[in-house]
Amino acid sequence: GAVVSQHPSWVICKSGTSVKIECRSLDFQATTMFWYRQFPKQSLMLMATSNEGSKATYEQGVEKDKFLINHASLTLSTLTVTSAHPEDSSFYICSARDIRVSNQPQHFGDGTRLSIL
Amino acid sequence: LAKTTQPISMDSYEGQEVNITCSHNNIATNDYITWYQQFPSQGPRFIIQGYKTKVTNEVASLFIPADRKSSTLSLPRVSLSDTAVYYCLVGAFNQGGKLIFGQGTELSVKP
Repeated sequence: GAVVSQHPSWVICKSGTSVKIECRSLDFQATTMFWYRQFPKQSLMLMATSNEGSKATYEQGVEKDKFLINHASLTLSTLTVTSAHPEDSSFYICSARDIRVSNQPQHFGDGTRLSIL
Repeated sequence: LAKTTQPISMDSYEGQEVNITCSHNNIATNDYITWYQQFPSQGPRFIIQGYKTKVTNEVASLFIPADRKSSTLSLPRVSLSDTAVYYCLVGAFNQGGKLIFGQGTELSVKP
């Protein structure tokens, strides 16, 4: 079945640094990928839609300059948290769907736990 | 995007059948209904998807009435490992597949 891989699975860094998270579709192509954030005991919150070869579409309230998204190929999207602060600590999850198959559900990565000290 | 409403939590015992109902009164003609399972510190895992009537796979069944304003996920003979949060989502693929998560149902299976 469709597999979505995220890297790294866990990262700890100092406040003020930038962190890049990768999302890869391993056995299918995805023109669109999605980035979510999840705080403890809460549901997933959609942050942005990543579009291959064009700018990402951000949800209301999500700072585009803070969360940089690049979707340079049909199998890779990256999320960079710039100048990270403790309040950015969260669980970040990406998803993608196989564009070649109609009515395919989204498949999710296993998430990246980001801890900012 | 259709809003979904599910029970916040449910309790069950091993070996029982569990039915989780989701309301989506504003579902659109092109929307599909998809259910996901999430364990702590993991991404959601696809369980089942349907458009109307009944869908069954190796892990669950999905019942959708004719008006499609609700759906019921049925888990046969649950085990302790089925303890997780279950999300019901509706969305159309011609809208890029964008999904908005509701609060989900926290299922606790006891021995």
